Amino acid sequence: TAGITQAPTSQILAAGRSMTLRCTQDMRHNAMYWYRQDLGLGLRLIHYSNTAGTTGKGEVPDGYSVSRANTDDFPLTLASAVPSQTSVYFCASSAGPNSPLHFGNGTRLTVT
Amino acid sequence: GNSVTQMEGPVTLSEEAFLTINCTYTATGYPSLFWYVQYPGEGLQLLLKATKADDKGSNKGFEATYRKETTSFHLEKGSVQVSDSAVYFCALSPLGGQGAQKLVFGQGTRLTINP
Repeated sequence: TAGITQAPTSQILAAGRSMTLRCTQDMRHNAMYWYRQDLGLGLRLIHYSNTAGTTGKGEVPDGYSVSRANTDDFPLTLASAVPSQTSVYFCASSAGPNSPLHFGNGTRLTVT
Repeated sequence: GNSVTQMEGPVTLSEEAFLTINCTYTATGYPSLFWYVQYPGEGLQLLLKATKADDKGSNKGFEATYRKETTSFHLEKGSVQVSDSAVYFCALSPLGGQGAQKLVFGQGTRLTINP
């Protein structure tokens, strides 16, 4: 079982450009999440989705948007990247509110 | 608001040493508490959890007890191995969440075990 697949693995992006980070899960989990991981700050929630068709804002949503058209996919879009968005981005999913999170291997994004 | 504070790393130990990584939290109500582990180049994996006061979570020789009176969830292992080298994250999930589980993470503690 693949679990959570994120793409790309890494990317260098010029400031002002847009980019979509892809996330796909094959576990039929209802909830999905995007976190960013920064040294000394741990993981911070960007956006989440309780179920297909719904999304919500996390702790640090500014500059990011998400969509949840179906159960399996949860793409994260940066409309106009800035250097402060340089980070490692993790997608995760869970079966429900009391279930553990399953994480992908991350996308390392550098905005120059 | 909800927050998690972990002991700062990095932590370096010799194989078979005793490990403690401190974690304290601030939360309204009674959250669930978790330890996640991140091995190099991978995403986080759930290591153990506790959902109410005095619960003890355990897995792979690691243990942590939910202490409401001290708002703590310290991670311990009696004899560490080189394969335990990783980054460890303490996290809480606010009680009563519906649908998505919006975890609040600590900053992480990097553990290196030398043979």
